[in-house]
Amino acid sequence: GAVVSQHPSRVICKSGTSVKIECRSLDFQATTMFWYRQFPKQSLMLMATSNEGSKATYEQGVEKDKFLINHASLTLSTLTVTSAHPEDSSFYICSARGSARHNEQFFGPGTRLTVL
Amino acid sequence: EDKVVQSPLSLVVHEGDTVTLNCSYEVTNFRSLLWYKQEKKAPTFLFMLTSSGIEKKSGRLSSILDKKELFSILNITATQTGDSAVYLCALIGGSNYKLTFGKGTLLTVNP
Repeated sequence: GAVVSQHPSRVICKSGTSVKIECRSLDFQATTMFWYRQFPKQSLMLMATSNEGSKATYEQGVEKDKFLINHASLTLSTLTVTSAHPEDSSFYICSARGSARHNEQFFGPGTRLTVL
Repeated sequence: EDKVVQSPLSLVVHEGDTVTLNCSYEVTNFRSLLWYKQEKKAPTFLFMLTSSGIEKKSGRLSSILDKKELFSILNITATQTGDSAVYLCALIGGSNYKLTFGKGTLLTVNP
C-alpha cells in the first residue's frame, strides 16, 4: 500500500517560535495533500487542502497566515505553524491522494506539537 | 455543509461481545464513506464503501452502506481487547475529495 511519512513525529517548542512539519508520499505522487488537526478526545478537523504547484485552500476559521502550507512537489507538502502559541498544541496529521484513485487517501503517522 | 454523525459516542463491552457502530450522514455530492480505526496515532484504514447494500468484510469486521437512508454500520464480532480504539467514519464528497470526519465512537473491550 501507499506510504506517507511525517517529520517530526513529536516537537516541543517555545511560544512565539515557528515549527515546520513535513509530509512526504514515499511511493506515489500525491497530487493533493490534506492537513488535519486533532485536539484531545476530538475528531480530525480538516485545516486545508493543497494541490501541487498551487495555493492551498483553507477551511473556514483557519488562518492562512498562521498556518503556511507549501506543496512544492508531488511528494512533499509542508505545514509551518508560525508564531506558535500554547493553544496551537495539537496532533497534526497529513494525508495524501494520488491522481489515479481519487477516493483513496493515505494518512501520515501524525505530528504531536506541544507549545510551552 | 457535509455532516457525519456517529453513535454511540462511547461503548464498553466484554471480550466476545458483538458490537454495531453507527454512522449517518448528509452530503451534497456523495463519493465514498470510509471507516477508520484510531489508536494512539493516525487513523488506519478499514473500509471504503461506495455502493449500497454490498457488505465489505475483513475478518471479524464488516460494514455496509445504505445510500437511501444515508447511513452505514460497522460490525465487530467476537470482540477482543485489541479492538479497543476510536472508530471514525468519514465521508468523501464534493469536487475536491476532502474527508469530513464524524466525532468517532470510543470502543473499550474489557477482558
